[in-house]
Amino acid sequence: AQSVSQHNHHVILSEAASLELGCNYSYGGTVNLFWYVQYPGQHLQLLLKYFSGDPLVKGIKGFEAEFIKSKFSFNLRKPSVQWSDTAEYFCAVTGGGNKLTFGTGTQLKVEL
Amino acid sequence: DTGVSQNPRHKITKRGQNVTFRCDPISEHNRLYWYRQTLGQGPEFLTYFQNEAQLEKSRLLSDRFSAERPKGSFSTLEIQRTEQGDSAMYLCASSPTGINYGYTFGSGTRLTVV
Repeated sequence: AQSVSQHNHHVILSEAASLELGCNYSYGGTVNLFWYVQYPGQHLQLLLKYFSGDPLVKGIKGFEAEFIKSKFSFNLRKPSVQWSDTAEYFCAVTGGGNKLTFGTGTQLKVEL
Repeated sequence: DTGVSQNPRHKITKRGQNVTFRCDPISEHNRLYWYRQTLGQGPEFLTYFQNEAQLEKSRLLSDRFSAERPKGSFSTLEIQRTEQGDSAMYLCASSPTGINYGYTFGSGTRLTVV
């Protein structure tokens, strides 16, 4: 069975700082990888996804993620965060099936 | 398209009572998923349907939990004899066939068992 680890549980950044959130997965076969975001009071929304091809994928709102197969990682990045990026971020994986397995999430707070 | 709709948004119930939640997926999505999320945790998979067929159930889904999708459209999740440990956010999501699309989530039903 697949599993996902997000090592940063809480991150606090100032506006314009760069962001990198770690995500490692455990699964021996082909995986599909996702990042979801949950803004305060809102439902989970898809930020970006990776299936195949270019390991650097770009999502909405300037976010990107890089799939590094050798490291079983799919880290989320943004060069310059904004106050409106304050949210909880979840990494998720599917492997050999249809269901998404989520990490425990990273709570990001961006201060003005 | 109004997205995935879940009702009620909040439910407070006494321990031992039965509760039922409803999910209306995006109409053209034939897959429907139920997840549970507790504070500080990511969503945990409970079960999923392809059309009206329930294809997978998690071990988290005890005998007190049952889910249906009778006509391949809306779905219900029932919890019988609720326990305090059932307090959580129950999330519904839907997708077209094929995981490539990702899921569209509803806003969830927050259950509090007192």
